[in-house]
Amino acid sequence: DIVMTQSPDSLAVALGERATINCKSSQSVLYSPNNKNYLAWYQQKPGQPPKLLIYWASTRESGVPDRFSGSGSGTDFTLTISSLQAEDVAVYYCQQFYHPQRTFGQGTKVEIK
Amino acid sequence: QVQLVESGGGVVQPGGSLRLSCAASGFSISSFGMHWVRQAPGTGLEWLSFIKYDGSDKKYADSVKGRFTISRDNSKNMVYLQMNSLRPDDMAMYYCAQETGAGDHWGQGTLVTVAS
Repeated sequence: DIVMTQSPDSLAVALGERATINCKSSQSVLYSPNNKNYLAWYQQKPGQPPKLLIYWASTRESGVPDRFSGSGSGTDFTLTISSLQAEDVAVYYCQQFYHPQRTFGQGTKVEIK
Repeated sequence: QVQLVESGGGVVQPGGSLRLSCAASGFSISSFGMHWVRQAPGTGLEWLSFIKYDGSDKKYADSVKGRFTISRDNSKNMVYLQMNSLRPDDMAMYYCAQETGAGDHWGQGTLVTVAS
């Protein structure tokens, strides 16, 4: 199985400041035939299911604010919130969907400083 | 509007069984692989099982292999998870998810409590 490791486990960021979350996979999730990274980011707020934010490492899901961006390729990925808003307080997960056996990072809790 | 609605959760004694259902609307599941994922209280996300669009391939996490069975009825637009020999550590919110090739879309979940 592909192991997904996120860092940090939690971070506190002031409103309007940048938040950066890293995700590393134990194997490449780059699918060579289409040159797409099968890496997604999800946001989970308390009492809610995970919500898809970004797929193919950097494509925002419809309706997701453009302050959310994803980058990276192969085994190293980053989710950036460019200007943290109060409604962004949540746990964020990376997930590989390269294999049917999905695996997730352990989650990063984002709070307001 | 694409929607997944899980049902069938509840309270069950250790060693008992439950059958979870996932009703899809707004799309036909016959073109999509489907997954079950769970989240124990206060913890992260654990993938459990996958079924190919036509049911011809199924995969399971080691933690549930031999105890849980995934199935689907494309004519009813439904996916199921039969859970047997339930243990206290199976207590969690259970989600079904549609794989689209561009990330997965999830339902709201159904809660399973295993307690005597």
